[in-house]
Amino acid sequence: DIQMTQSPSSLSASVGDRVTITCRAAQSITNYLNWYQQKPGKAPKLLISAASSLQSGVPSRFSGSGSGTDFTLTISSLQPEDLATYYCQQSDSAPPTFGQGTKLDIK
Amino acid sequence: QVQLQESGPGLVKPSETLSLTCTVSGDSMSSYYWSWVRQSAAKGLEWIGRVQISGFTIYRPSLRSRLTMSVDESRHQVSLELTSVTAADTAVYYCAGVSAGASDLLHFDTWGPGIFVTVSS
Repeated sequence: DIQMTQSPSSLSASVGDRVTITCRAAQSITNYLNWYQQKPGKAPKLLISAASSLQSGVPSRFSGSGSGTDFTLTISSLQPEDLATYYCQQSDSAPPTFGQGTKLDIK
Repeated sequence: QVQLQESGPGLVKPSETLSLTCTVSGDSMSSYYWSWVRQSAAKGLEWIGRVQISGFTIYRPSLRSRLTMSVDESRHQVSLELTSVTAADTAVYYCAGVSAGASDLLHFDTWGPGIFVTVSS
């Protein structure tokens, strides 16, 4: 299984801040990297696929970048509704695996 | 837009079989590949397996000996059976799908709300 490691595990930021979450794969996954947002008590929601492809309806303040083993999710201007835990997931090979999550709090 | 709803018992006894159903509405089942994903505090998000409308399955290797997934297109349902459960199988279980036409079939672009299953006597 390909291990996915996210950092930080948690972070607190203010409305309007630029927030960056990183995800590292234990081996190259080219661009088979997806980002999910999970709000408390809800199912995960796909935000970004193929490392940088924003899903329909997702605000443009979210963006993804990276390839190979290192990837980044950026929120350009944090909003109160972005309170959630964010997960990366590799889809390069089965079994698909997730990072441990980054819990984002709003100051 | 496709909608998913998981159903089944919330409590299963150790050594018994966990059986869950995902009811699909709003789109053709054949337009998707269907997965089950579970989430626990101990293991985080964990992919269980995937089933196609053809019946072809891919299972997580560590669960393969205990797992059966199937699709009933006439009933708009995806099913999961996990035998010989232990406390380690306690988790929220999600039904999830990916468009069959996607170039990447190992991600999940639609999810059900999930169902919490406890394994306890």
